[in-house]
Amino acid sequence: GDSVTQMEGPVTLSEEAFLTINCTYTATGYPSLFWYVQYPGEGLQLLLKATKADDKGSNKGFEATYRKETTSFHLEKGSVQVSDSAVYFCALSGYSSASKIIFGSGTRLSIRP
Amino acid sequence: SQTIHQWPATLVQPVGSPLSLECTVEGTSNPNLYWYRQAAGRGLQLLFYSVGIGQISSEVPQNLSASRPQDRQFILSSKKLLLSDSGFYLCAWVRDRPYEQYFGPGTRLTVT
Repeated sequence: GDSVTQMEGPVTLSEEAFLTINCTYTATGYPSLFWYVQYPGEGLQLLLKATKADDKGSNKGFEATYRKETTSFHLEKGSVQVSDSAVYFCALSGYSSASKIIFGSGTRLSIRP
Repeated sequence: SQTIHQWPATLVQPVGSPLSLECTVEGTSNPNLYWYRQAAGRGLQLLFYSVGIGQISSEVPQNLSASRPQDRQFILSSKKLLLSDSGFYLCAWVRDRPYEQYFGPGTRLTVT
């Protein structure tokens, strides 16, 4: 079945460092791919999305490119801020009638001032 | 624009007591709705989803049940809570393709 694998956390970086959180997927067909962010005590927010191969999703300085050849959707940001500290989830949606989304296990990111 | 509400925001309940969590969506019609649970420091576990009024699918056998009495209302219930039911409960709805889900603010449940 479909699945999402993302790098284990926690990830701790200094402010202004470059961020990469790896995400790979297994799916039949051409799923849509997402990154969600969860700040402490809150629900998940959609951060960015990509719906087809080579699409680049971007938002708030974060980017991810849909790479079908490597089945990857790595999240990147050039210069992180303390306010980026959160848990990040990679996810995919397929073509089931229930429109279910498959989530990765989440990566906790902590940014030091 | 669409908005999703959950209440209560926090809840502390004794073992063996009943539970009712509510989720409502505004600004859309006939949405697919989902209940997730997130244990402390863990990922998301899909509990139930619904594609229409009265239509409930269970993903994991639980001490929980779900109902959808109205188009934009989704309720999570239990007759007798267990300690293992503690967690952060999230409701979500889905937009048409590419099927991204939008989440409510969550309910933090502590069973004592």
